[in-house]
Amino acid sequence: ETGVTQSPTHLIKTRGQQVTLRCSSQSGHNTVSWYQQALGQGPQFIFQYYREEENGRGNFPPRFSGLQFPNYSSELNVNALELDDSALYLCASSFEGSNYGYTFGSGTRLTVV
Amino acid sequence: GIQVEQSPPDLILQEGANSTLRCNFSDSVNNLQWFHQNPWGQLINLFYIPSGTKQNGRLSATTVATERYSLLYISSSQTTDSGVYFCAVETYGGSQGNLIFGKGTKLSVKP
Repeated sequence: ETGVTQSPTHLIKTRGQQVTLRCSSQSGHNTVSWYQQALGQGPQFIFQYYREEENGRGNFPPRFSGLQFPNYSSELNVNALELDDSALYLCASSFEGSNYGYTFGSGTRLTVV
Repeated sequence: GIQVEQSPPDLILQEGANSTLRCNFSDSVNNLQWFHQNPWGQLINLFYIPSGTKQNGRLSATTVATERYSLLYISSSQTTDSGVYFCAVETYGGSQGNLIFGKGTKLSVKP
């Protein structure tokens, strides 16, 4: 059984640019959630995708958007990058929501300069 | 919204010692998980435990949902246990997929 994989592992972008992060869910999982973790903090929920639709969203502006594909993989897109967007972005997958818990990937560390 | 408080914030142990980490939450939950975040950032799922007791090797966890707390026990600690331990909960009626994390307990195990 493959786990959750994320790419790239590290990324450096300039303020104002756009970025796309990718996530492949664990085999058998159909739900993907994205989290942002600033240095020294716990992860914060961005949004969740189920059946290719966003079905939950945290307190993040619209410039954070996402997609889920028929194979359950997902993308997180961030437009107009700001310095405060520098963080570890974590993807988590689960089956039918949280009934069996969430499995996290290793994350993408984004630095905005 | 729900509050998740973890204690202690920092813990230093000698290898071989036992420890108990606590997570208090302020409302009913339908999901509670304990995670270990390693120095490379990966969140490793230790337990899915909205209620009851589970054991996995040297680790065990107990959640008393009616009293709104969970405990993570680490026995015979090893240096590889170092890292940050997070408790995370999901509430009934909350936004789908919204795991709410505590601030974590940073554990350092010395050889």
